[in-house]
Amino acid sequence: KAGVTQTPRYLIKTRGQQVTLSCSPISGHRSVSWYQQTPGQGLQFLFEYFSETQRNKGNFPGRFSGRQFSNSRSEMNVSTLELGDSALYLCASSLSSRSLARSYNEQFFGPGTRLTVL
Amino acid sequence: AQTVTQSQPEMSVQEAETVTLSCTYDTSESDYYLFWYKQPPSRQMILVIRQEAYKQQNATENRFSVNFQKAAKSFSLKISDSQLGDAAMYFCAYNAYKRSGGGADGLTFGKGTHLIIQP
Repeated sequence: KAGVTQTPRYLIKTRGQQVTLSCSPISGHRSVSWYQQTPGQGLQFLFEYFSETQRNKGNFPGRFSGRQFSNSRSEMNVSTLELGDSALYLCASSLSSRSLARSYNEQFFGPGTRLTVL
Repeated sequence: AQTVTQSQPEMSVQEAETVTLSCTYDTSESDYYLFWYKQPPSRQMILVIRQEAYKQQNATENRFSVNFQKAAKSFSLKISDSQLGDAAMYFCAYNAYKRSGGGADGLTFGKGTHLIIQP
């Protein structure tokens, strides 16, 4: 089974521009979460999408948004880029079963998109 | 809000020796999951081990084991017989249990410990 894929792997933008990153989850996985990783702040949760709906959200400004498509692929968008948005953006997918049985749905991470804002 | 603290920015160990990475966390929840993730230079996050808070028994995965002290909110990772391939950043992470399913709520990560393996 193919893993989580993210495109593009590297991106260079200038301040004020906007950017869209893409994440394709593992086949059958319905939940996609996004994380930002920076040297200063570490790994921070951005948001999670499930069945095309944002289910959870971290503490990021409204410039960060996302969406999920019917095939579970997800995109995140950052508008009006700032220098501080330079980071590794990771997405993770999980089954997120609605079963009431107690089982943890492991999050599988993609290789990340390295965004540099100049 | 939950917090995860890793007090060791860097650790070094001789190949074949044992090393323990420390992690403490703070939460008001009684039911949650704790994890150790490994991030090698490729940046691919890999789950090393998972602990469910309601289980008293410490989790083990081959050479990796944890010491989970719920009352002390402590969760350390022991790596036995260290190998060169173990060199990586190690992140401790927390996730609250959600009965509605998944628990993919958003992991809270510590700042990480850089593990160096000396040959």
